Amino acid sequence: EVQLVQSGAEVKKPGESLKISCKGSGYSFTSYWIGWVRQMPGKGLEWMGIIYPGDSDTRYSPSFQGQVTISADKSISTAYLQWSSLKASDTAMYYCARLERQPAPVDYWGQGTLVTVSS
Amino acid sequence: SYVLTQPPSVSVAPGKTARITCGGNNIGSKSVHWYQQKPGQAPVLVIYYDSDRPSGIPERFSGSNSGNTATLTISRVEAGDEADYYCQVWDSSSDHGVFGGGTKLTVL
Repeated sequence: EVQLVQSGAEVKKPGESLKISCKGSGYSFTSYWIGWVRQMPGKGLEWMGIIYPGDSDTRYSPSFQGQVTISADKSISTAYLQWSSLKASDTAMYYCARLERQPAPVDYWGQGTLVTVSS
Repeated sequence: SYVLTQPPSVSVAPGKTARITCGGNNIGSKSVHWYQQKPGQAPVLVIYYDSDRPSGIPERFSGSNSGNTATLTISRVEAGDEADYYCQVWDSSSDHGVFGGGTKLTVL
């Protein structure tokens, strides 16, 4: 069974750093792309970027380039999304998502990680 | 960057047909995917590559794509179809995914 299991909810202060994770299982982790999607409270889905764990090829959506870092450790089948200095506006639910390639659809989603940034 | 436009809301009576549109410049030349998201849950794929249906998705869900508009059609709408629906494409010019703003389907 394919599963994407994300790390738990986080509460952080502005300026702090954060790295959240997404562990894949039940499939060949290096053969599929992993994407990250943001959903701010009460708002729609926003595509942040994708990574191919097989060779760490990473693509960022323009709005998120330079704001976050996407990485992966294929030895433990885990992808990451990290911030070096959080802002209150980073408060959102973050989903990881699996896709075979562009322009394929997302066929599996993680359960989401809620990040709250508040002083 | 490529922009997808969806109506914020669509309302339909049970048993009727709901149509949710997704507008974009020459979207007919792209592959469109549709996701359903219920409150507190992750999205679920309901239509991919314009009109294909994943296993487990009822035949009541169908899709089309031509010109500047893609459409998700839900026939014989049920109360359980009430959710937010998002269209999605790949913007090949900048090599990233794009979602529409989402449409809230209300079953009256």
